[in-house]
Order: sequence, then structure tokens, then C-alpha cells
Amino acid sequence: QKEVEQDPGPLSVPEGAIVSLNCTYSNSAFQYFMWYRQYSRKGPELLMYTYSSGNKEDGRFTAQVDKSSKYISLFIRDSQPSDSATYLCASRIRGAQKLVFGQGTRLTINP
Amino acid sequence: GAGVSQSPRYKVAKRGQDVALRCDPISGHVSLFWYQQALGQGPEFLTYFQNEAQLDKSGLPSDRFFAERPEGSVSTLKIQRTQQEDSAVYLCASSLAMGTGNSPLHFGNGTRLTVT
Repeated sequence: QKEVEQDPGPLSVPEGAIVSLNCTYSNSAFQYFMWYRQYSRKGPELLMYTYSSGNKEDGRFTAQVDKSSKYISLFIRDSQPSDSATYLCASRIRGAQKLVFGQGTRLTINP
Repeated sequence: GAGVSQSPRYKVAKRGQDVALRCDPISGHVSLFWYQQALGQGPEFLTYFQNEAQLDKSGLPSDRFFAERPEGSVSTLKIQRTQQEDSAVYLCASSLAMGTGNSPLHFGNGTRLTVT
């Protein structure tokens, strides 16, 4: 079993919809949680970063971490075709350097 | 300023050949990482440098994989006697800080290695 599990999709929604992307993790020592967006043939780029539990909002994006259930979520409001990409969740132990990534969810926003 | 630069962008190697993949991190970034991303999968950690010191190489899949960063800037990932299972995108990432919690990683666009 991978330390970070993510449904690979694909997920296809109409423009303007609210998108919910989720991951679960198994390592209780994870303290830092990130969402990366990866366009085709590009490297991942950091979207959201949270420490421990709670919510964080940035524009149309909201990240949630529930450490009691080991659940990570990313919500995208008013989705746009330009949001079409693969979304990767990632976690890290405090004091460690390496990120552990989920498999990635491929998202398509249809105009 | 330029981002993380990787070369070549694409590499085709015959099985058994050696390959060298180059990473130019963002200037001044202390930390440098290599990740391997198989098709349809998330990146998997290979190794980590803090300046020129290789502090973690636990993700290197075999002794055919070797990474170096001799002057604390440019890094090279070398794969000897390539095998088909080495086919993947190799991503390099750098970050400004060392050992602190929230310095974000900046990824390059990767080198796509195909072993035939």
C-alpha cells in the first residue's frame, strides 16, 4: 500500500462546476501537505501548501486537511478550462526533505 | 529569473547504454532533488542534495543509478546499463532553504527517458 493514495480518475466536469479532489494517507507522521498541478509534459507546480490540520484558501482554490481521518482535499470553485491538468497531492514528515506524492488525478474541464 | 532547467528534454537509449541527465537549479537554491515519474504515476523520490552533500539517496532503485552535485549547483543523474524499466520522466527540483519546513520545491520540466 502506498503512503499516499489518490484516485487517478480521469475526472471530467463542465466549466463553472465545483471540483473536489481527494487523497488519503497512512503515515501519521506527515505534517506538511501540498497540492501540485501538472500540465502535460511540464513539471509539477505548487498550488497550495498547508501545515497540519485545517483549511487554507487562495482565490478559487481551497485546501483542507483532516488529520484525524488522514484525508486531504482540494476544492476548485468556478472551474475553468485552463484548470485542466493532473493534480498531485503530496505529504512530508516534519524535518524530512522528501515529498511523498499520490498517483495524481487527471482533471478535464469542458467548456 | 530562469527556473529549473533540465537537459536533454528527451533521451532515447538502447538497453545497456549509459545516460547522463543534467539539472541546472535556480541560482542560490541550496536543496536539490531528483524524482522519477513513471507514466500515469506521481513522482517518486530518488535522491536529495544540500549544497554538494548528498544527504539522502534512499530512493535510488539500484546501484546503476548515481547522482552528483560536485560544486553545489549543477547536478547530474547518471544511469548505467539502462533497462527498459528505467523508462520514465526524471524530474529535478530545487528549493531555497535547507532543512526548514515550508520552502517550496520548484520543478523543472523533466527529461523523458525511453529505453528501447
